Amino acid sequence: AQSVTQPDIHITVSEGASLELSCNYSYGATPYLFWYVQSPGQGLQLLLKYFSGDTLVQGIKGFEAEFKRSQSSFNLRKPSVHWSDAAEYFCAVGARGAGSYQLTFGKGTKLSVIP
Amino acid sequence: DVKVTQSSRYLVKRTGEKVFLECVQDMDHENMFWYRQDPGLGLRLIYFSYDVKMKEKGDIPEGYSVSREKKERFSLILESASTNQTSMYLCASSPLPRQSQETQYFGPGTRLLVL
Repeated sequence: AQSVTQPDIHITVSEGASLELSCNYSYGATPYLFWYVQSPGQGLQLLLKYFSGDTLVQGIKGFEAEFKRSQSSFNLRKPSVHWSDAAEYFCAVGARGAGSYQLTFGKGTKLSVIP
Repeated sequence: DVKVTQSSRYLVKRTGEKVFLECVQDMDHENMFWYRQDPGLGLRLIYFSYDVKMKEKGDIPEGYSVSREKKERFSLILESASTNQTSMYLCASSPLPRQSQETQYFGPGTRLLVL
């Protein structure tokens, strides 16, 4: 069965600083990988996804992620964090199931931004 | 834009009540999903459906059932609500599995409190 590990429960960064959130996955085949963001009290919004091809993926809001097969990682990065980026971030791996595919989520990383 | 709506943002119910959570999507998606989200546990899949009247158990189906009578609507049913079902419930939908299209879109969530 697939699994996702986000080792950091909570990260605090200063506004303008760079950000990297870690995500490690376990899956036997080529993974579909996703990053979602959740603002307080809201649903999940897709930031970016990787299916194949270029291992550096660009997303919305200035985020990017790099797929590293050798490290089973899909880390999320942003060069300069804005106060509005404070939210919870979820990494997920997609696996084929009956008639569809299913997402397995990590437990999330909460990002706080210091003005 | 894909729109997934959930019938209530907040719900308060008493132990033993039958609870219906409704989810509607407007993008003619084949697949629909119900998750629950709890602090420190991330999102866990309860049930999903890949076609009308079809359903599959997810990771934590106990205490829940689902109904999908129409393609756009997917209901989660708590037959006899218990306090340990107090949680945030998130609905999602996705189109048929096709390369680059396998993305789940989430509703805003329903926060359920069972007293």
